[in-house]
Amino acid sequence: GENVEQHPSTLSVQEGDSAVIKCTYSDSASNYFPWYKQELGKRPQLIIDIRSNVGEKKDQRIAVTLNKTAKHFSLHITETQPEDSAVYFCAASGSYQLTFGKGTKLSVIP
Amino acid sequence: DGGITQSPKYLFRKEGQNVTLSCEQNLNHDAMYWYRQDPGQGLRLIYYSQIVNDFQKGDIAEGYSVSREKKESFPLTVTSAQKNPTAFYLCASSIAPGQGSDTQYFGPGTRLTVL
Repeated sequence: GENVEQHPSTLSVQEGDSAVIKCTYSDSASNYFPWYKQELGKRPQLIIDIRSNVGEKKDQRIAVTLNKTAKHFSLHITETQPEDSAVYFCAASGSYQLTFGKGTKLSVIP
Repeated sequence: DGGITQSPKYLFRKEGQNVTLSCEQNLNHDAMYWYRQDPGQGLRLIYYSQIVNDFQKGDIAEGYSVSREKKESFPLTVTSAQKNPTAFYLCASSIAPGQGSDTQYFGPGTRLTVL
């Protein structure tokens, strides 16, 4: 089955700096890669996703890049703000299931 | 994701008891999912259902059971066979898996604690 590795597990950045979270996946058939943000005790919320026919997607301060050859994808957050502090999960899907990484706890220091 | 509800928000279970977690959606989604989340872990798939009256085991189905008698409802029963059930349980739904609409939307979760 699919295996998703996510790094780093924790990340601290100064407000205004950029944050990058990286994920690798094992199943070359995976074609959908969402990113979720989860605040403490809350539900995961989709923040951006990318499909295998696209190499990069951007939404305001958030961007995701996908390298299918290397089987890795990354989340980039620019101009970080304190409200970006949360746990971020990547995931990969090839058919009917999403396989999640273990999460990155992002702390934005004011 | 506002169209997915889970109840109760908190649930306490004594050892040896079965408990049922509710998940309802009014999004007209075909597919529904149950995940378990432990501290410092990602979400692990327990069961999923692509259509009414059909469901499949996920990665950690042992000690759990589900039913899908209605499109909008997908209850999860945590049985006494589940040895370590204390966790945060999340239900999700998607329009129709495998058809390019894989986006999953999550409910607010149920926190289960074994006393």
